[in-house]
Amino acid sequence: ETAVFQTPNYHVTQVGNEVSFNCKQTLGHDTMYWYKQDSKKLLKIMFSYNNKQLIVNETVPRRFSPQSSDKAHLNLRIKSVEPEDSAVYLCASSYWGGQNTLYFGAGTRLSVL
Amino acid sequence: GEQVEQRPPHLSVPEGDSAVIICTYTDSATAYFYWYKQEPGAGLQLLMSVFSNVDRKEEQGLTVLLNKKDKQLSLNLTAAHPGDSAVYFCAVSENNNNRIFFGDGTQLVVKP
Repeated sequence: ETAVFQTPNYHVTQVGNEVSFNCKQTLGHDTMYWYKQDSKKLLKIMFSYNNKQLIVNETVPRRFSPQSSDKAHLNLRIKSVEPEDSAVYLCASSYWGGQNTLYFGAGTRLSVL
Repeated sequence: GEQVEQRPPHLSVPEGDSAVIICTYTDSATAYFYWYKQEPGAGLQLLMSVFSNVDRKEEQGLTVLLNKKDKQLSLNLTAAHPGDSAVYFCAVSENNNNRIFFGDGTQLVVKP
């Protein structure tokens, strides 16, 4: 049963536009993540938040900005999208530390024309 | 830092055969090991997780083997069926460390 919810499922936009993706988890976890999955299925961590605080900010272009209102929500905004931003963006959540099994949402597929 | 290598990148087996996917890691402090399955258009679904004190775990036609000496983790799907066709990822993490490292994935195709 899905417990990490992502919206939208798909988004098509043009270069230079701004997009926002939403993620909510109902598992009671305190840590949330954004991953980027490219066309070859490779996973790359972008950000992680623990209790609304940014923990990990990998080398990501500054046009990407995460936003967390509480520990159950982590949104991702992309200002001025580029063609290389076309990918699937996966949200995940876990408990912090120890056996931190990740639970993933179904992903948001972004196509930049 | 931790390096995780997963092989093969692509695997095709006839229905009923077994399929084996192997991951190697580099950090001896690695404590937790995971296998995920990703079906088309979906997120990653946890298949199994094991702690470093476990050498072998079996669940519902899946066998995970952990060889800490060689720093190798494997997933064996016995009697694979077409519904097992998906991308499989291994992942590892250290104790009390929230960093999780994924392999590059294996595209498994089970032919009827």
